[in-house]
Amino acid sequence: NAGVTQTPKFRILKIGQSMTLQCTQDMNHNYMYWYRQDPGMGLKLIYYSVGAGITDKGEVPNGYNVSRSTTEDFPLRLELAAPSQTSVYFCATAVPNEQFFGPGTRLTVL
Amino acid sequence: GQQLNQSPQSMFIQEGEDVSMNCTSSSIFNTWLWYKQEPGEGPVLLIALYKAGELTSNGRLTAQFGITRKDSFLNISASIPSDVGIYFCAGSTGNTPLVFGKGTRLSVIA
Repeated sequence: NAGVTQTPKFRILKIGQSMTLQCTQDMNHNYMYWYRQDPGMGLKLIYYSVGAGITDKGEVPNGYNVSRSTTEDFPLRLELAAPSQTSVYFCATAVPNEQFFGPGTRLTVL
Repeated sequence: GQQLNQSPQSMFIQEGEDVSMNCTSSSIFNTWLWYKQEPGEGPVLLIALYKAGELTSNGRLTAQFGITRKDSFLNISASIPSDVGIYFCAGSTGNTPLVFGKGTRLSVIA
């Protein structure tokens, strides 16, 4: 089992560009989450999903969008990248209380 | 929203020393979790606690679910250099997203 896979590992974007951060899991978990972690800080919840077709906002959803068309995939979309979105992004799945994290995507917006 | 107070924020200890960190909340949780994050990696689950008063060990790590259900502590005995990292507590009330503490940054001096 690969667990939780995130791509890309690193990305540099220019202000105003868009991109999709991919998250895939092979554990058949219904619950999936997106967090951002700024340098030296804790985790902030962006969006989460309790199952295919269902998504909900977390603490810091502005500037992001998500979709959940399958159990396996939970992509995070940035439409107009801003420097404030420079961060490390973690995807996680849960069963539902024990969360399992992916390795992260390090995003820099210049 | 719910918040967890995690302390201390950071610790510098000598190799071989024991470590203690804790988390408190103003509200009750049904589950307490402890994660460790190493540089450049996602958080990894160390211990999960499901019952008030529960004391669980994982090697040199021991964690307890407080009787009031509003707190938890994590102890690390005989610390070694590879214990370095950020330790996060997290609480859950059920099917809602985990609430994370801000982390305790542990440094071990050989």
